[in-house]
Amino acid sequence: ILNVEQSPQSLHVQEGDSTNFTCSFPSSNFYALHWYRWETAKSPEALFVMTLNGDEKKKGRISATLNTKEGYSYLYIKGSQPEDSATYLCAPLDAGGTSYGKLTFGQGTILTVHP
Amino acid sequence: GAGVSQSPRYKVAKRGQDVALRCDPISGHVSLFWYQQALGQGPEFLTYFQNEAQLDKSGLPSDRFFAERPEGSVSTLKIQRTQQEDSAVYLCASSLSPPGQVHTEAFFGQGTRLTVV
Repeated sequence: ILNVEQSPQSLHVQEGDSTNFTCSFPSSNFYALHWYRWETAKSPEALFVMTLNGDEKKKGRISATLNTKEGYSYLYIKGSQPEDSATYLCAPLDAGGTSYGKLTFGQGTILTVHP
Repeated sequence: GAGVSQSPRYKVAKRGQDVALRCDPISGHVSLFWYQQALGQGPEFLTYFQNEAQLDKSGLPSDRFFAERPEGSVSTLKIQRTQQEDSAVYLCASSLSPPGQVHTEAFFGQGTRLTVV
């Protein structure tokens, strides 16, 4: 079972602020890392699937970086908007010797953007 | 439908009652996962199906939990003799191929919120 830590647990920012949060995971046997956004009353939605050390992915105002050697990923949101309010979940893929991979989720970072 | 559908959205069960939670994955998706999310925690893995085969049920918390996917499409998670600690959101996710193929993205349903009173 992977130990996945996300910080901070919750974050309150003002509209227009930029923000970032962290996902830490074991660096050994790394396979892939998924980021999800989960808005209240909706389904978790995939943001990024990251695989390579040094990878940087971007979707609009949201970007993510990956460091597989030290076992962390950062998610950045530039110019936060109220609609960015959600729980952000990271999930390393644990190959664990199986023929498939299971996603092991962190506890999430709850972001609230105040107008 | 276009996405993963779960029903019911909300379920209140009396302690000791049996419940059945349904998941309709995206058509053609090979992989199906069930997760349990307790308040303040991230989703925790329960079980995995590849088509109709249940390849991993290591996350099921007790023998009161049972999942099936008999025809490789719709899946049902059954909880017998529910207890208060079973109260949680139960999420279903499907993907086109096994997640070991690294670029596979999982699509989630909205979840079923189970409250055991």
